[in-house]
Amino acid sequence: GQQVMQIPQYQHVQEGEDFTTYCNSSTTLSNIQWYKQRPGGHPVFLIQLVKSGEVKKQKRLTFQFGEAKKNSSLHITATQTTDVGTYFCAGRETSYDKVIFGPGTSLSVIP
Amino acid sequence: EAGVAQSPRYKIIEKRQSVAFWCNPISGHATLYWYQQILGQGPKLLIQFQNNGVVDDSQLPKDRFSAERLKGVDSTLKIQPAKLEDSAVYLCASSPPGLYNSPLHFGNGTRLTVT
Repeated sequence: GQQVMQIPQYQHVQEGEDFTTYCNSSTTLSNIQWYKQRPGGHPVFLIQLVKSGEVKKQKRLTFQFGEAKKNSSLHITATQTTDVGTYFCAGRETSYDKVIFGPGTSLSVIP
Repeated sequence: EAGVAQSPRYKIIEKRQSVAFWCNPISGHATLYWYQQILGQGPKLLIQFQNNGVVDDSQLPKDRFSAERLKGVDSTLKIQPAKLEDSAVYLCASSPPGLYNSPLHFGNGTRLTVT
Protein backbone atom coordinates (compact mmCIF):
# COMPACT_ATOMS: atom_id res chain seq x y z
CA GLY A 1 0.00 0.00 0.00
CA GLN A 2 0.87 3.65 -0.20
CA GLN A 3 3.54 4.87 2.21
CA VAL A 4 4.55 8.42 3.00
CA MET A 5 7.94 9.05 4.58
CA GLN A 6 9.46 12.17 6.06
CA ILE A 7 12.97 13.18 7.06
CA PRO A 8 14.36 14.20 9.40
CA GLN A 9 12.34 12.88 12.32
CA TYR A 10 13.62 15.65 14.61
CA GLN A 11 15.35 18.96 13.99
CA HIS A 12 16.73 21.34 16.57
CA VAL A 13 17.70 24.78 15.29
CA GLN A 14 18.85 28.06 16.74
CA GLU A 15 16.32 30.83 16.34
CA GLY A 16 17.02 32.58 13.07
CA GLU A 17 18.38 29.51 11.31
CA ASP A 18 16.61 27.90 8.38
CA PHE A 19 14.74 24.58 8.48
CA THR A 20 13.74 22.08 5.81
CA THR A 21 11.69 18.90 5.98
CA TYR A 22 11.36 16.42 3.11
CA CYS A 23 8.44 14.19 2.23
CA ASN A 24 8.50 11.17 -0.08
CA SER A 25 5.66 8.96 -1.27
CA SER A 26 5.97 5.39 -2.55
CA THR A 27 3.32 6.19 -5.17
CA THR A 28 2.39 9.13 -7.36
CA LEU A 29 0.15 11.63 -5.61
CA SER A 30 -2.75 13.64 -6.92
CA ASN A 31 -1.98 16.35 -4.40
CA ILE A 32 -0.07 16.87 -1.19
CA GLN A 33 -1.10 18.80 1.89
CA TRP A 34 0.98 20.12 4.77
CA TYR A 35 -0.21 20.36 8.35
CA LYS A 36 1.30 21.78 11.53
CA GLN A 37 0.62 20.32 14.97
CA ARG A 38 1.63 22.29 18.04
CA PRO A 39 2.48 20.30 21.20
CA GLY A 40 -0.78 19.11 22.73
CA GLY A 41 -2.79 20.33 19.77
CA HIS A 42 -4.36 18.90 16.65
CA PRO A 43 -3.09 19.09 13.05
CA VAL A 44 -3.89 22.39 11.35
CA PHE A 45 -3.92 22.72 7.58
CA LEU A 46 -1.19 24.91 6.10
CA ILE A 47 -1.29 24.50 2.34
CA GLN A 48 -2.06 22.21 -0.59
CA LEU A 49 0.00 21.57 -3.72
CA VAL A 50 -1.57 20.06 -6.80
CA LYS A 51 0.55 20.72 -9.87
CA SER A 52 3.82 19.05 -10.79
CA GLY A 53 6.74 21.32 -9.83
CA GLU A 54 4.46 23.74 -7.98
CA VAL A 55 6.01 26.19 -5.52
CA LYS A 56 3.97 28.16 -3.00
CA LYS A 57 5.03 30.65 -0.36
CA GLN A 58 3.43 31.74 2.90
CA LYS A 59 5.54 34.50 4.46
CA ARG A 60 8.67 32.64 5.64
CA LEU A 61 7.41 29.20 4.53
CA THR A 62 8.13 27.80 1.06
CA PHE A 63 6.46 24.62 -0.16
CA GLN A 64 7.50 22.61 -3.22
CA PHE A 65 5.92 19.67 -5.05
CA GLY A 66 8.26 17.49 -7.08
CA GLU A 67 8.10 17.12 -10.83
CA ALA A 68 7.15 13.45 -10.50
CA LYS A 69 4.53 14.29 -7.85
CA LYS A 70 6.10 11.82 -5.43
CA ASN A 71 8.02 14.19 -3.17
CA SER A 72 7.62 17.53 -1.50
CA SER A 73 9.48 19.85 0.82
CA LEU A 74 8.78 22.57 3.34
CA HIS A 75 11.41 25.23 3.98
CA ILE A 76 11.21 27.78 6.77
CA THR A 77 13.48 30.81 6.53
CA ALA A 78 14.78 32.42 9.73
CA THR A 79 12.90 30.26 12.21
CA GLN A 80 11.07 31.79 15.17
CA THR A 81 9.94 30.21 18.43
CA THR A 82 6.38 30.29 17.09
CA ASP A 83 7.44 27.76 14.44
CA VAL A 84 7.84 25.04 17.09
CA GLY A 85 5.72 21.97 16.38
CA THR A 86 5.49 18.89 14.21
CA TYR A 87 5.07 19.29 10.48
CA PHE A 88 3.21 16.57 8.61
CA CYS A 89 2.84 16.01 4.91
CA ALA A 90 -0.27 14.16 3.77
CA GLY A 91 -0.87 12.74 0.33
CA ARG A 92 -3.77 11.48 -1.70
CA GLU A 93 -3.15 8.81 -4.33
CA THR A 94 -4.25 9.63 -7.81
CA SER A 95 -7.17 7.23 -7.80
CA TYR A 96 -8.31 7.47 -4.20
CA ASP A 97 -9.60 10.04 -1.78
CA LYS A 98 -7.78 8.45 1.16
CA VAL A 99 -5.39 10.89 2.87
CA ILE A 100 -2.22 9.26 4.18
CA PHE A 101 -0.06 11.16 6.66
CA GLY A 102 3.69 10.95 6.98
CA PRO A 103 5.33 10.39 10.39
CA GLY A 104 6.13 14.08 10.74
CA THR A 105 9.19 16.19 11.49
CA SER A 106 9.37 17.66 14.97
CA LEU A 107 10.95 21.14 15.02
CA SER A 108 12.47 22.65 18.15
CA VAL A 109 13.68 26.25 18.08
CA ILE A 110 16.26 27.33 20.62
CA PRO A 111 15.88 31.04 21.50
CA GLU B 1 -17.93 28.64 11.57
CA ALA B 2 -17.95 26.17 14.44
CA GLY B 3 -15.18 23.61 14.34
CA VAL B 4 -15.22 19.83 14.61
CA ALA B 5 -16.48 18.84 18.05
CA GLN B 6 -15.26 15.72 19.85
CA SER B 7 -16.02 14.21 23.22
CA PRO B 8 -14.86 13.18 25.67
CA ARG B 9 -11.57 15.06 25.78
CA TYR B 10 -9.88 12.41 27.92
CA LYS B 11 -10.72 8.82 28.83
CA ILE B 12 -8.97 6.32 31.06
CA ILE B 13 -10.13 2.70 31.03
CA GLU B 14 -8.78 -0.70 31.94
CA LYS B 15 -7.90 -3.23 29.29
CA ARG B 16 -10.81 -5.38 28.11
CA GLN B 17 -13.27 -2.58 28.87
CA SER B 18 -15.21 -0.81 26.13
CA VAL B 19 -15.18 2.87 25.19
CA ALA B 20 -16.95 5.12 22.72
CA PHE B 21 -15.96 8.44 21.17
CA TRP B 22 -18.27 10.96 19.56
CA CYS B 23 -17.67 13.42 16.73
CA ASN B 24 -19.77 16.22 15.29
CA PRO B 25 -18.27 17.53 12.04
CA ILE B 26 -18.47 21.01 10.63
CA SER B 27 -21.96 21.67 9.28
CA GLY B 28 -22.26 20.66 5.64
CA HIS B 29 -19.07 18.61 5.56
CA ALA B 30 -19.88 15.35 3.81
CA THR B 31 -16.62 13.53 4.46
CA LEU B 32 -15.69 12.41 7.96
CA TYR B 33 -12.46 10.72 9.02
CA TRP B 34 -11.31 8.93 12.17
CA TYR B 35 -7.56 8.88 12.74
CA GLN B 36 -5.53 7.20 15.48
CA GLN B 37 -2.41 9.08 16.56
CA ILE B 38 0.02 7.24 18.79
CA LEU B 39 2.47 9.47 20.66
CA GLY B 40 5.31 10.54 18.40
CA GLN B 41 3.70 9.22 15.21
CA GLY B 42 1.64 10.62 12.37
CA PRO B 43 -2.14 10.21 12.26
CA LYS B 44 -3.20 6.78 10.96
CA LEU B 45 -6.49 6.61 9.07
CA LEU B 46 -8.94 4.18 10.65
CA ILE B 47 -12.09 4.86 8.66
CA GLN B 48 -13.43 7.39 6.18
CA PHE B 49 -17.12 8.14 5.58
CA GLN B 50 -18.72 9.91 2.65
CA ASN B 51 -22.10 11.00 4.03
CA ASN B 52 -23.18 7.82 5.85
CA GLY B 53 -21.35 5.36 3.60
CA VAL B 54 -17.91 3.89 4.29
CA VAL B 55 -15.25 4.89 1.73
CA ASP B 56 -12.28 3.17 3.36
CA ASP B 57 -11.88 1.09 6.52
CA SER B 58 -8.93 -1.03 5.46
CA GLN B 59 -6.90 -0.16 8.56
CA LEU B 60 -9.72 -0.48 11.08
CA PRO B 61 -9.18 -3.48 13.41
CA LYS B 62 -12.67 -4.79 12.85
CA ASP B 63 -12.45 -7.46 15.53
CA ARG B 64 -12.53 -4.74 18.19
CA PHE B 65 -13.21 -1.39 16.52
CA SER B 66 -16.50 -0.26 15.01
CA ALA B 67 -17.73 3.06 13.69
CA GLU B 68 -20.96 4.43 12.41
CA ARG B 69 -22.25 7.68 11.00
CA LEU B 70 -25.99 7.83 11.31
CA LYS B 71 -27.86 10.26 9.04
CA GLY B 72 -24.57 11.37 7.54
CA VAL B 73 -23.77 13.83 10.35
CA ASP B 74 -22.48 12.74 13.79
CA SER B 75 -20.24 9.73 14.14
CA THR B 76 -19.22 7.37 16.93
CA LEU B 77 -16.13 5.19 17.17
CA LYS B 78 -16.21 2.25 19.58
CA ILE B 79 -13.52 -0.03 20.91
CA GLN B 80 -14.52 -3.31 22.55
CA PRO B 81 -12.53 -4.79 24.19
CA ALA B 82 -9.68 -2.31 24.55
CA LYS B 83 -6.04 -3.34 24.56
CA LEU B 84 -3.02 -1.54 25.99
CA GLU B 85 -1.80 -0.70 22.48
CA ASP B 86 -5.01 1.26 21.82
CA SER B 87 -3.67 4.07 24.02
CA ALA B 88 -3.55 7.02 21.63
CA VAL B 89 -5.29 10.22 20.61
CA TYR B 90 -8.32 9.60 18.42
CA LEU B 91 -8.80 12.45 15.99
CA CYS B 92 -11.93 13.16 14.03
CA ALA B 93 -11.70 15.31 10.89
CA SER B 94 -14.14 16.50 8.26
CA SER B 95 -13.90 18.05 4.82
CA PRO B 96 -16.37 19.79 2.51
CA PRO B 97 -18.41 17.86 -0.07
CA GLY B 98 -17.52 17.48 -3.71
CA LEU B 99 -14.03 18.92 -3.37
CA TYR B 100 -11.48 16.23 -4.18
CA ASN B 101 -8.61 18.35 -2.96
CA SER B 102 -10.23 19.84 0.13
CA PRO B 103 -8.25 20.20 3.36
CA LEU B 104 -9.10 18.30 6.54
CA HIS B 105 -10.42 20.16 9.58
CA PHE B 106 -9.52 18.34 12.78
CA GLY B 107 -11.19 18.29 16.15
CA ASN B 108 -9.22 18.51 19.40
CA GLY B 109 -9.20 14.73 19.73
CA THR B 110 -9.90 12.26 22.53
CA ARG B 111 -6.87 11.09 24.48
CA LEU B 112 -7.40 7.45 25.47
CA THR B 113 -5.29 5.74 28.11
CA VAL B 114 -5.71 2.00 28.56
CA THR B 115 -4.25 0.60 31.79
